[in-house]
Amino acid sequence: GAVVSQHPSWVICKSGTSVKIECRSLDFQATTMFWYRQFPKQSLMLMATSNEGSKATYEQGVEKDKFLINHASLTLSTLTVTSAHPEDSSFYICSASSIRADTQYFGPGTRLTVL
Amino acid sequence: GDSVTQMEGPVTLSEEAFLTINCTYTATGYPSLFWYVQYPGEGLQLLLKATKADDKGSNKGFEATYRKETTSFHLEKGSVQVSDSAVYFCALKGLGGSQGNLIFGKGTKLSVKP
Repeated sequence: GAVVSQHPSWVICKSGTSVKIECRSLDFQATTMFWYRQFPKQSLMLMATSNEGSKATYEQGVEKDKFLINHASLTLSTLTVTSAHPEDSSFYICSASSIRADTQYFGPGTRLTVL
Repeated sequence: GDSVTQMEGPVTLSEEAFLTINCTYTATGYPSLFWYVQYPGEGLQLLLKATKADDKGSNKGFEATYRKETTSFHLEKGSVQVSDSAVYFCALKGLGGSQGNLIFGKGTKLSVKP
């Protein structure tokens, strides 16, 4: 089956610093990648959708200057949390789908803790 | 807009009990429907899906039937195991929007006791 990886799996950073999270599709070309945020005991909240080579489309209420998304290739998308604050602490999950697929394949998630 | 409503948990069952997790949806047209499972400490995994009315998705003993008349996609398993303990998410992929984003329910936590 399709495999999506995320790196790192967890990260702790100081308030005010930036953190980059990578999402890779390992065995297929991901024309579209999605970034979600999951709060404890809650559902996934879609943050943004990115297509390879174009700007990401952000959901309402998500600050695009704070959550920078780059989808530079068909196998890699990155999410950079800039000037992180404790309220940005969360579980960030990416997913990927190919142009032919009706299914999104999810990465294992990245636990971000901002001190 | 499109939405998914699933029964709130947590659900606690004894091993070998019958499981039903209800899921209903609101959407225009005929969305694709999914069940995802999230095991402790892991990411979401696709459990099963159905893409049209009356389709039945099945995997690992779990089943769900796409019921257009009741706009439902209830998840069932005849005999649960301790290893089925996880959070289960119902989701739909609508036809609207340029991306066909997944819309998730809030998740139902299942705990199976030996």
